[in-house]
Amino acid sequence: EAGVAQSPRYKIIEKRQSVAFWCNPISGHATLYWYQQILGQGPKLLIQFQNNGVVDDSQLPKDRFSAERLKGVDSTLKIQPAKLEDSAVYLCASSGPGLQETQYFGPGTRLLVL
Amino acid sequence: GQSLEQPSEVTAVEGAIVQINCTYQTSGFYGLSWYQQHDGGAPTFLSYNGLDGLEETGRFSSFLSRSDSYGYLLLQELQMKDSASYFCAVSYTGRRALTFGSGTRLQVQP
Repeated sequence: EAGVAQSPRYKIIEKRQSVAFWCNPISGHATLYWYQQILGQGPKLLIQFQNNGVVDDSQLPKDRFSAERLKGVDSTLKIQPAKLEDSAVYLCASSGPGLQETQYFGPGTRLLVL
Repeated sequence: GQSLEQPSEVTAVEGAIVQINCTYQTSGFYGLSWYQQHDGGAPTFLSYNGLDGLEETGRFSSFLSRSDSYGYLLLQELQMKDSASYFCAVSYTGRRALTFGSGTRLQVQP
């Protein structure tokens, strides 16, 4: 089966610009996660969706970050405006009907904010 | 907040056995997972412990002691390709999303 797809793979922007990332989870996976991974750290959850509803967005900086999963399949994560400290890899993951802790990660989008 | 502790770096030689420990905060604990991540790659799931004891998957085993708020990942017959970062991750009751540790960088030497 196809894995989690993400695009773009790399993005370089200047601070105060906006950027959007796209994710398509594994077919049939109802739960979708967005993580931020800063170099040298573990992934940090930004938001979790169950179908098209938000389950957990407690760590999402809502003044600049937004995410949606309108049809319960693919999802977009947006940053507006970007700050230097947003430079990180943004990982999308999905989990299926089995063990929720078994998450399948996409290749990530590497963001550099100058 | 919830925090996990694991060593930052471990070095071992090919063929050896290495154990990576993880301690976590107990409140609301549901289960402990382990993920592997090669440089520039995505995290991949290795194992999950919801109950006390040992789970074995090939060369990798994972252990959990809920009473000690402690778990470990055991890697046997180390190979060069095992050089990677290993993350423990905790899920909590009612919030099954994962909270990851900072990772342990394993370097396997010839």
